[in-house]
Amino acid sequence: QVQLVESGGGLVQPGGSLRLSCAASGLTVSSNYMTWVRQAPGKGLEWVSYISSSGGSILYADSVKGRFTISRDNAKNSLYLQMNSLRAEDTAVYYCARARWLNYWGQGTLVTVSS
Amino acid sequence: EIVLTQSPVTLSLSPGERATLSCRASQSVSSYLAWYQQKPGQAPRLLIYDASNRATGIPARFSGSGSGTDFTLTISRLEPEDFAVYYCQQRNNWPSFTFGGGTKVEIK
Repeated sequence: QVQLVESGGGLVQPGGSLRLSCAASGLTVSSNYMTWVRQAPGKGLEWVSYISSSGGSILYADSVKGRFTISRDNAKNSLYLQMNSLRAEDTAVYYCARARWLNYWGQGTLVTVSS
Repeated sequence: EIVLTQSPVTLSLSPGERATLSCRASQSVSSYLAWYQQKPGQAPRLLIYDASNRATGIPARFSGSGSGTDFTLTISRLEPEDFAVYYCQQRNNWPSFTFGGGTKVEIK
């Protein structure tokens, strides 16, 4: 039974930082392509970032490039998203998911950027 | 960037009716297209991948078709639990990918 559990969301002021975590069970993060997808309140889905199974390939959406960093800890079987210089438009539920087709998703964690 | 346009935005139908949802790509995505279902407060669920393959555990009333730029998700007979928002997604330019804007299937 695969389970992905996100944590780390919350309320942060514009310009602030947050680190999201995604703890995996039933699935080995280091053996899979992993991705972050976000969904602004009442809006559609937006791909944010990707990391390959080897960790050698990392990609970001233009909207977050230079501000967000994806990483993983193989020993903890976890995926992370470090988010810096946060903006109001980054307010969303953030999901981790297994790629290429997103057949496993976490429940999401809400990030609210507001003063 | 490949843009996916879904239509209609909202589809009002009754249980037992047939639903036909469309997804059009701004350029060919071959068969690298998937469909997801999302209910309020839940994560999306993969229904169809590679345009026409049902994901594990997905009922046979869901079917996908198309290739290139035009794709269709068909729900043969709507069950009460099928009223939700549906998204298409392409991964032709993997590892980046894009989603369509969604179609809401609501009870008429």
